[in-house]
Amino acid sequence: AQSVTQPDIHITVSEGASLELRCNYSYGATPYLFWYVQSPGQGLQLLLKYFSGDTLVQGIKGFEAEFKRSQSSFNLRKPSVHWSDAAEYFCASLDSNYQLIWGAGTKLIIKP
Amino acid sequence: NAGVTQTPKFRVLKTGQSMTLLCAQDMNHEYMYWYRQDPGMGLRLIHYSVGEGTTAKGEVPDGYNVSRLKKQNFLLGLESAAPSQTSVYFCASRSGTDFYEQYFGPGTRLTVT
Repeated sequence: AQSVTQPDIHITVSEGASLELRCNYSYGATPYLFWYVQSPGQGLQLLLKYFSGDTLVQGIKGFEAEFKRSQSSFNLRKPSVHWSDAAEYFCASLDSNYQLIWGAGTKLIIKP
Repeated sequence: NAGVTQTPKFRVLKTGQSMTLLCAQDMNHEYMYWYRQDPGMGLRLIHYSVGEGTTAKGEVPDGYNVSRLKKQNFLLGLESAAPSQTSVYFCASRSGTDFYEQYFGPGTRLTVT
């Protein structure tokens, strides 16, 4: 069965430092991959998505993600985090029925 | 546009009580979804609907029922609440032509004591 793994339950980063959140997927064909962000007490907002083509995708709020087929990864990056980036981040993949398969989430904590 | 709205935002139930969560969307989306979110488990799909009058089971449907009498509304019912149903519930919708992006409501935090 398809699965999405986010190895880090939480990550702490200093404000202004770079960020990388890890996501690994299991799917034989080319996956459709997403990153969503959930701010405290809020719903989920789509940051970016990958379907095909350029393996480096740009998203909102200065985020980007790189698809690496050889590593079955779709890691989320940001060059310099802001305190407002503190949130929980979810990686997801579409299954063959166009349903989303979710990772468990990574909580990002920003140190001042 | 309001997007996807959920009512209520918070609720506390006693074991055995029933309640209905309402999800409404004003984007004319065909597809609607109910998820539950529990710590360390991401989101799990409870039920979904591909159009007015149709519903289908997701990954964790037991203890829940749904109805989609109007295209814009998707109701999630708990007939006899259990403590295991304490969770945050999210509704989402998407269009029939855009397979990829789901739009989420703000969530309902339900506690069953």
